[in-house]
Amino acid sequence: DAGVIQSPRHEVTEMGQEVTLRCKPISGHDYLFWYRQTMMRGLELLIYFNNNVPIDDSGMPEDRFSAKMPNASFSTLKIQPSEPRDSAVYFCASRRDRATGNTIYFGEGSWLTVV
Amino acid sequence: EDQVTQSPEALRLQEGESSSLNCSYTVSGLRGLFWYRQDPGKGPEFLFTLYSAGEEKEKERLKATLTKKESFLHITAPKPEDSATYLCAVLSGGSNYKLTFGKGTLLTVNP
Repeated sequence: DAGVIQSPRHEVTEMGQEVTLRCKPISGHDYLFWYRQTMMRGLELLIYFNNNVPIDDSGMPEDRFSAKMPNASFSTLKIQPSEPRDSAVYFCASRRDRATGNTIYFGEGSWLTVV
Repeated sequence: EDQVTQSPEALRLQEGESSSLNCSYTVSGLRGLFWYRQDPGKGPEFLFTLYSAGEEKEKERLKATLTKKESFLHITAPKPEDSATYLCAVLSGGSNYKLTFGKGTLLTVNP
């Protein structure tokens, strides 16, 4: 069974440019999460979806960040305009419905550098 | 607000030298405590879930235990391939499906 798939794995962009990160969750998983990891703050939840609907976006740092999930197999996290302080590793994760377990499975991450 | 504190931040062991990592937590109604392993350049890899005080789980050289205030990850006779960052996370009754992570313990096992 394929895991959570993220793209791109690495991106270097200039300040002010738009960045789009993509995620394909594990098939059959009802929940999708976007996390950000930095040395200073560790892993932080940005937003999560249940059945393609955004449930909690309280972790999204600013209006420059937006996330969508148009269908059960695809989600995007967009940063527009990007700033150097957005440099981090962005992880997508997914899990099944609560009734079948609480384990969250992570992708390999998208390493973003904004210069 | 849920809080997770891991100690030590970094731990260096010799191969075969057993030790423990600590995860202390403050949550409103624990629904699960999770241990993950993260290798450099990789995403967190799930190891264990513990649900109630007194519960223990084992996998190869790792054993996770849980009390009402903390969890320990015991590493018995570690090998260099056990070198990684170990992350602890909690899921509480007041946070829906939001995992709160500690900052991790970087374990280095020297041959």
